[in-house]
Amino acid sequence: QKEVEQDPGPLSVPEGAIVSLNCTYSNSAFQYFMWYRQYSRKGPELLMYTYSSGNKEDGRFTAQVDKSSKYISLFIRDSQPSDSATYLCAMSGSNDYKLSFGAGTTVTVRA
Amino acid sequence: DTGVSQNPRHKITKRGQNVTFRCDPISEHNRLYWYRQTLGQGPEFLTYFQNEAQLEKSRLLSDRFSAERPKGSFSTLEIQRTEQGDSAMYLCASSQGRNQPQHFGDGTRLSIL
Repeated sequence: QKEVEQDPGPLSVPEGAIVSLNCTYSNSAFQYFMWYRQYSRKGPELLMYTYSSGNKEDGRFTAQVDKSSKYISLFIRDSQPSDSATYLCAMSGSNDYKLSFGAGTTVTVRA
Repeated sequence: DTGVSQNPRHKITKRGQNVTFRCDPISEHNRLYWYRQTLGQGPEFLTYFQNEAQLEKSRLLSDRFSAERPKGSFSTLEIQRTEQGDSAMYLCASSQGRNQPQHFGDGTRLSIL
């Protein structure tokens, strides 16, 4: 079993819909949680960076972390065709330097 | 902030050849990381530098792989005697300190013929 599991997708939604992305993890030492967006043939771009449990909002993006359930989510409101990409969750422990990634969910927003 | 820069963007080589990739981190970042990403998977950690010191190497980094970061600035990743299984995207990331977010470059895509 992988340390980080991510809903495989792919996901196809109409423009304006809410996109919901999820990851679960097994390592209780994880303290830092990230969401990256990756366009084809590009590197991952940091979207959200959170510490421990709770919610964080940045524009159309909301990240949620539930450490008791070892579950994290990313919500994209009012989705746009430009949001079409692969979304990667990543996490690390407080003394860690390496990130552990999910396999990614590919999202297509239809105009 | 010019971002993390990686060169070349794409490298095509024959099996058995040696290849070297370069990464220039964000200028004030003292930590530098290498990851490998294959199709349909998330990046996997390879190695990590704090300034010029290489502090950790993954089991994925066989003895054919070597990484350096002279003077704590740019870094190079060399693969000797390339094999088919080395085909992947090699990503470099940098961060300003411990538990600070890692910022990635656009990677070097390696194709082995």
